[in-house]
Amino acid sequence: QKEVEQNSGPLSVPEGAIASLNCTYSDRGSQSFFWYRQYSGKSPELIMSIYSNGDKEDGRFTAQLNKASQYVSLLIRDSQPSDSATYLCAVLSGGYQKVTFGTGTKLQVIP
Amino acid sequence: DGGITQSPKYLFRKEGQNVTLSCEQNLNHDAMYWYRQDPGQGLRLIYYSQIVNDFQKGDIAEGYSVSREKKESFPLTVTSAQKNPTAFYLCASGYREGQPQHFGDGTRLSIL
Repeated sequence: QKEVEQNSGPLSVPEGAIASLNCTYSDRGSQSFFWYRQYSGKSPELIMSIYSNGDKEDGRFTAQLNKASQYVSLLIRDSQPSDSATYLCAVLSGGYQKVTFGTGTKLQVIP
Repeated sequence: DGGITQSPKYLFRKEGQNVTLSCEQNLNHDAMYWYRQDPGQGLRLIYYSQIVNDFQKGDIAEGYSVSREKKESFPLTVTSAQKNPTAFYLCASGYREGQPQHFGDGTRLSIL
């Protein structure tokens, strides 16, 4: 079982819709959770961090964490073509103090 | 302007050659990281360092070496022992242990 799992996509949504990106993780001791956006050929950019159960909102982005279900998600409201990118989920494990990345979900926002 | 500078942007390695990738940051971050990214795969940790003169192996350290003589600098050497070095190499830094916050623009390494 992979430590951090994401559906590779592509996930296609029309412009203005809500894009929902999901991630599951295996280490129950995980402490911190991150979402990075990576445009094609570029380096990742940290867009959201979440540390406790519930929702965290930042502009059009909402991160949701459910530690009991070992599940973290990213919602993008009013999706724009500029949101088209690969979104990487990353989890900081409790024991190793290092971040493990998922393989990413490719999002395509259709104008 | 604060950030992470990686150089070169593209690098070609000949058989049996060691090559060094540069990473410099002016963000005053204690922690620095090297990741490797292959097509369709997530980032895999090669080495990380939390303080000067100290570094730890990540998940795929074989065939790589690093040094951390200055807080600002964390160069990565890809040795001839790394048989499949073609990849996108990313350097990152962060304030908190384990949490890479900023990435450089990356170096693409290929074999000649």
